[in-house]
Amino acid sequence: ETGVTQTPRHLVMGMTNKKSLKCEQHLGHNAMYWYKQSAKKPLELMFVYNFKEQTENNSVPSRFSPECPNSSHLFLHLHTLQPEDSALYLCASSQEAGLGNSPLHFGNGTRLTVT
Amino acid sequence: SQQGEEDPQALSIQEGENATMNCSYKTSINNLQWYRQNSGRGLVHLILIRSNEREKHSGRLRVTLDTSKKSSSLLITASRAADTASYFCATDAGNSGYSTLTFGKGTMLLVSP
Repeated sequence: ETGVTQTPRHLVMGMTNKKSLKCEQHLGHNAMYWYKQSAKKPLELMFVYNFKEQTENNSVPSRFSPECPNSSHLFLHLHTLQPEDSALYLCASSQEAGLGNSPLHFGNGTRLTVT
Repeated sequence: SQQGEEDPQALSIQEGENATMNCSYKTSINNLQWYRQNSGRGLVHLILIRSNEREKHSGRLRVTLDTSKKSSSLLITASRAADTASYFCATDAGNSGYSTLTFGKGTMLLVSP
């Protein structure tokens, strides 16, 4: 177990659907992240939350909406997605955001397919 | 912008051989981290090396850092089939005490029995 749990593992949705990805960490960390991993591209940072406050939004389209109700839970709400949004979405946590010497702990990701 | 870039993109070796992967980056860093990703899984942190360190070991892993050349290498000795995975370097280049990691595209390592 990685200490970071993501659900669902796989998701297929149409372009008009609304769905949510869930992430939960059991490590007592204060920072949580959403990353997008597409084939042949570097890992893309999407959002950062530190002590429940959003500290970074990396120019992500508004069809992706994050929510962090507490330091242990992170959601990514999806609506009106495009086929190019198909990717592996990874959640990660760390002791505190902005501390570059703090390793990231990743979940196993949600494989999203937009049809 | 992409900071770390791994080389080679893919590497295929036999069990027992050593595997070397390289990472080059563009701007000064505070530290560099290496991660492993098995197919369909999340990334797992392997090792962190600070900018004032030149070499670090962890089990069969050896990481070097050359800040003058802006490069790092990851050596896996006596490789095993279970080492088959993608390996990523991630750099922390922030200043003012706040930074986020930037990942490269990774090196895909295949270790054949």
